[in-house]
Amino acid sequence: QKEVEQNSGPLSVPEGAIASLNCTYSDRGSQSFFWYRQYSGKSPELIMSIYSNGDKEDGRFTAQLNKASQYVSLLIRDSQPSDSATYLCAVSGSGGSNYKLTFGKGTLLTVNP
Amino acid sequence: SQTIHQWPATLVQPVGSPLSLECTVEGTSNPNLYWYRQAAGRGLQLLFYSVGIGQISSEVPQNLSASRPQDRQFILSSKKLLLSDSGFYLCAWGLAGVEDTQYFGPGTRLTVL
Repeated sequence: QKEVEQNSGPLSVPEGAIASLNCTYSDRGSQSFFWYRQYSGKSPELIMSIYSNGDKEDGRFTAQLNKASQYVSLLIRDSQPSDSATYLCAVSGSGGSNYKLTFGKGTLLTVNP
Repeated sequence: SQTIHQWPATLVQPVGSPLSLECTVEGTSNPNLYWYRQAAGRGLQLLFYSVGIGQISSEVPQNLSASRPQDRQFILSSKKLLLSDSGFYLCAWGLAGVEDTQYFGPGTRLTVL
């Protein structure tokens, strides 16, 4: 059973702070990693993808991947109240099932003005 | 650009009634298509996926079925709904061999009474 684990939160940060979201996964063969943002009552929206070890930056978002530790994280700099949402970590399958994603249950982030 | 549509947006159905949810994708050809369910307080559960017309793979045994009558059309059905079928149904698409990314439609919120 492939697993993706996230802290459920809620994670509460003040406006302007850095929010750090973490995810671990069990399938060592996974090659693709994603972060989705889901506002309450809405569908998930892709915000970051990462495929190689290290950091990948896109605006205020930085994804970090460490395949040896089976760990992926998302940093949100200068957090805004509009960042308040549930963040889902998703990991691709392996061995020919890479097109199937396994999702964590999500971390609820609240950014306080 | 690609667009994914789902309808209806919301649905209230009695137990034992049939179900048909539709998903269509525009702006791409031969996408991989996925049906997920998100129950209250739970993660995204992959129900079905399809890599081509008429090719359906089921991930979870249940009273639901899926069909792909056209390249960019994916339908989720049930002959008799159960209370446990309530949830947020999400259709997603992705391109085979293209970094495994999936993009979600707006979803259908189903309540079975």
